[in-house]
Amino acid sequence: DGGITQSPKYLFRKEGQNVTLSCEQNLNHDAMYWYRQDPGQGLRLIYYSQIVNDFQKGDIAEGYSVSREKKESFPLTVTSAQKNPTAFYLCASSGGLAGGRKNIQYFGAGTRLSVL
Amino acid sequence: KQEVTQIPAALSVPEGENLVLNCSFTDSAIYNLQWFRQDPGKGLTSLLLIQSSQREQTSGRLNASLDKSSGRSTLYIAASQPGDSATYLCATYSGNTPLVFGKGTRLSVIA
Repeated sequence: DGGITQSPKYLFRKEGQNVTLSCEQNLNHDAMYWYRQDPGQGLRLIYYSQIVNDFQKGDIAEGYSVSREKKESFPLTVTSAQKNPTAFYLCASSGGLAGGRKNIQYFGAGTRLSVL
Repeated sequence: KQEVTQIPAALSVPEGENLVLNCSFTDSAIYNLQWFRQDPGKGLTSLLLIQSSQREQTSGRLNASLDKSSGRSTLYIAASQPGDSATYLCATYSGNTPLVFGKGTRLSVIA
């Protein structure tokens, strides 16, 4: 089936540790996104990528890093510099940052990150 | 910078009622507006996309309208069912930048 796969579903981080969240899509989409969602809050954009080997910071990029070495994959690393990482992380993809239906975003099921 | 607001934050209605969810945005120069549904602990599912040139879009019991000049969109749900209980988010697209999301309206439909 076509879609977006995020793993793991649950992740625990120890203090001072870096952790990496996986996001893979088989929709042949050019653009991919990472969002953070806190209780009662909307989605806040962390990073996005419009094409392989290129990505841009979103509104809350500090303490996070990404790579886009393959079209299908957009992993997010939560570094030790992120002091409040506990949240629900959502990955999405779209055909691109163009108008029309190409702009519809498709989401993964999310990863819930907690601090031990 | 675009800001998207959804009021109310939460809504509880009895089954069978028709209801309207509201979305407002500050910059009317949008290319499209999208409505999403999110079930607890899950990702988002796209419901409807309205192009800037359109006034409304329909899918089953859902109807979304767009008034760019006033910076408003509404999502109308007819004959609500308990299965409609979820958080509904709207998001706007204004150009070569990602979607800007509202915080959502949490809907509970009581049987």
